[in-house]
Amino acid sequence: EVQILESGGGLVQPGGSLRLSCEASGFIFGSFTMAWVRQAPGKGLEWVSAISGSGDGTYYADSVKGRFTISRDNSKEMVYLQMNSLRGEDTAVYYCARDKIYCGGGTCYEHWFDPWGQGTLVTVSS
Amino acid sequence: IQLTQSPSFLSASVGDRVTITCRASQDIKYFLAWYQQKPGKAPKVLIYAASILQSGVPSRFSGSGSGTEFTLTITSLQPEDFATYYCQQLNSFPPVFGGGTKVEIK
Repeated sequence: EVQILESGGGLVQPGGSLRLSCEASGFIFGSFTMAWVRQAPGKGLEWVSAISGSGDGTYYADSVKGRFTISRDNSKEMVYLQMNSLRGEDTAVYYCARDKIYCGGGTCYEHWFDPWGQGTLVTVSS
Repeated sequence: IQLTQSPSFLSASVGDRVTITCRASQDIKYFLAWYQQKPGKAPKVLIYAASILQSGVPSRFSGSGSGTEFTLTITSLQPEDFATYYCQQLNSFPPVFGGGTKVEIK
């Protein structure tokens, strides 16, 4: 069974740092891009960052570029999100998700997410 | 690319046919996915490539459309379908989600 489990959330002051962890199991971890998606309280979904299966490619939303760093350890089947210079607007539930690709009819559809972890809450407040 | 969902809120009864629309700001061909999110839970993919039903998703859910207009249809709403639904474009990076449609019990 494919499982994803996040940890590391908590309360942090503005300007502070936090590292989120995502543990995956049940699939060939190194073959998949992994992503972080967040959801502010009562709001919609926002893609935050992604990392390729090998770890060579990393991608960020403009809202977090230069402050967040994504990494992975394929030997441990783990993904991390290092969050620095945190702001109030970073307050959200952070979900880790497997980035899926489907190819059919000569076209590949990528960057849809399945499954998602249960999420970890990050609160940035003084 | 921006995605606009309508309506934002929908009140319906068990057994109703429900349609949710997602409009893209530019042509995204068939590059769209739909998710369901229940309160306090993670999103779950229902449909990808505009109309392909994810394994395990009930057949009362269907997706259609292409280009700039897409629909998610639930043919006979069940109690467990009351949730918020999001569309997401797969056409270009970064991935973008629609604002969501909350389906509540009438």
